[in-house]
Amino acid sequence: EAEVAQSPRYKITEKSQAVAFWCDPISGHATLYWYRQILGQGPELLVQFQDESVVDDSQLPKDRFSAERLKGVDSTLKIQPAELGDSAMYLCASSLAVGGTDTQYFGPGTRLTVL
Amino acid sequence: DQQVKQNSPSLSVQEGRISILNCDYTNSMFDYFLWYKKYPAEGPTFLISISSIKDKNEDGRFTVFLNKSAKHLSLHIVPSQPGDSAVYFCAASALTGNQFYFGTGTSLTVIP
Repeated sequence: EAEVAQSPRYKITEKSQAVAFWCDPISGHATLYWYRQILGQGPELLVQFQDESVVDDSQLPKDRFSAERLKGVDSTLKIQPAELGDSAMYLCASSLAVGGTDTQYFGPGTRLTVL
Repeated sequence: DQQVKQNSPSLSVQEGRISILNCDYTNSMFDYFLWYKKYPAEGPTFLISISSIKDKNEDGRFTVFLNKSAKHLSLHIVPSQPGDSAVYFCAASALTGNQFYFGTGTSLTVIP
C-alpha cells in the first residue's frame, strides 16, 4: 500500500539552529499538506500545496518557517531559527485532489525537540 | 478559536463493549467530517467519514452518526477490541473549502 514518507522521524536541535523536514507524498497525489501537532492538541495546518503552488499558508509563521515543493512532488519544510516553542510533531499529508471531501493520508511525522 | 471540539480527553472501555467518542463543532458551514485514529509514533490513519447529506455511515465495527442540528457527531465502535486503543481525532471541512479542522483528540483504552 502506498504511503506518505517523512524524514527524519526524530530531530533534536538547539534553539537558533536551522532544521529541515522532508516529505514524499503518495504518488499521483496533487495536494500536499504540512501540519504541526503540539502535544495534547489536534493537527494544525501550516501550509497546503497543489502541485508546486501554495494554496494556503495563512498559518505559517513566515518570519521563520518556509516550505517548498519545487517540482510538485516532494516537499521540504524549514525552520530557521528554531525556537523552544517549535517543539512538536510535524506531519505531512497528501490527497489526490484539492477539496473539502478529499481524504488526507498522513505520514509518520517528524518529532522535533528544541533545547 | 477551536472550531472542532472533543471534550473527553480520554475514555476506557472493556473489551467487547461499545466505545462512543464524541465531537462537537461550531461552524455551520462544515459539511464533511472524518475520524482519524493515531497510534503513538505514527501519523493519523483515516478511519471513516460522513457528509452532511447523511446522518449515519457504517463500516464494519465503526459507525459515525451526525446530528446537524446539534452540530454533533459521534463514533461508535462495536465491539471494542484492545487493538482499538489509540487516540481518535475528528476533523471537519466545508465542501467549498480546502482545509480540515481537527479536534484535540480522545485517547481510547480498551481493557482486555
